[in-house]
Amino acid sequence: GDSVTQMEGPVTLSEEAFLTINCTYTATGYPSLFWYVQYPGEGLQLLLKATKADDKGSNKGFEATYRKETTSFHLEKGSVQVSDSAVYFCALSLSGGSYIPTFGRGTSLIVHP
Amino acid sequence: DGGITQSPKYLFRKEGQNVTLSCEQNLNHDAMYWYRQDPGQGLRLIYYSQIVNDFQKGDIAEGYSVSREKKESFPLTVTSAQKNPTAFYLCASSTGLRNEQYFGPGTRLTVT
Repeated sequence: GDSVTQMEGPVTLSEEAFLTINCTYTATGYPSLFWYVQYPGEGLQLLLKATKADDKGSNKGFEATYRKETTSFHLEKGSVQVSDSAVYFCALSLSGGSYIPTFGRGTSLIVHP
Repeated sequence: DGGITQSPKYLFRKEGQNVTLSCEQNLNHDAMYWYRQDPGQGLRLIYYSQIVNDFQKGDIAEGYSVSREKKESFPLTVTSAQKNPTAFYLCASSTGLRNEQYFGPGTRLTVT
């Protein structure tokens, strides 16, 4: 079946460090790919998305490129801030069939001053 | 402003009582979902609905029930049959396939 695998956390960084959170997927078709962010005690918010191969999603300094050849959608940011501390979820959604997206388990990011 | 509302933010109940969590959206989305999140865990799908008056069980539906009488509303009832109901519950909606989900702020349920 379809699945999303994220690197285990927590990822602990100092402020202004470079961030990479790995995400790989398995899907039977050509999915749309998403990164969501969850701040403590809140719901998830869409961070960025990409709907086809080689698309780059970007928002708030975060970027991810849809790599069909490696089935990956790694999240990157050049310089993290303390306010980026949150849990990040990678997800995929397929056309056809049901409306159920598939989520990764989430990766906690802790940024120290 | 369009969005999803969940109420209440915090809910406390005694063991053996049923409790209903509210979820309302004014985004005109067809699909709605309920997820459960436990500390340090990902999202687990409880129920989802693609259209009014129709819903399907997710991965962990036992001990829960839902209704979808209106497009805007998708309440979740946590019954006394749910063995470990204490958790953070998230409601979400989406429109169309391949599109992102919009999440509510969540309800934290504590059962003692």
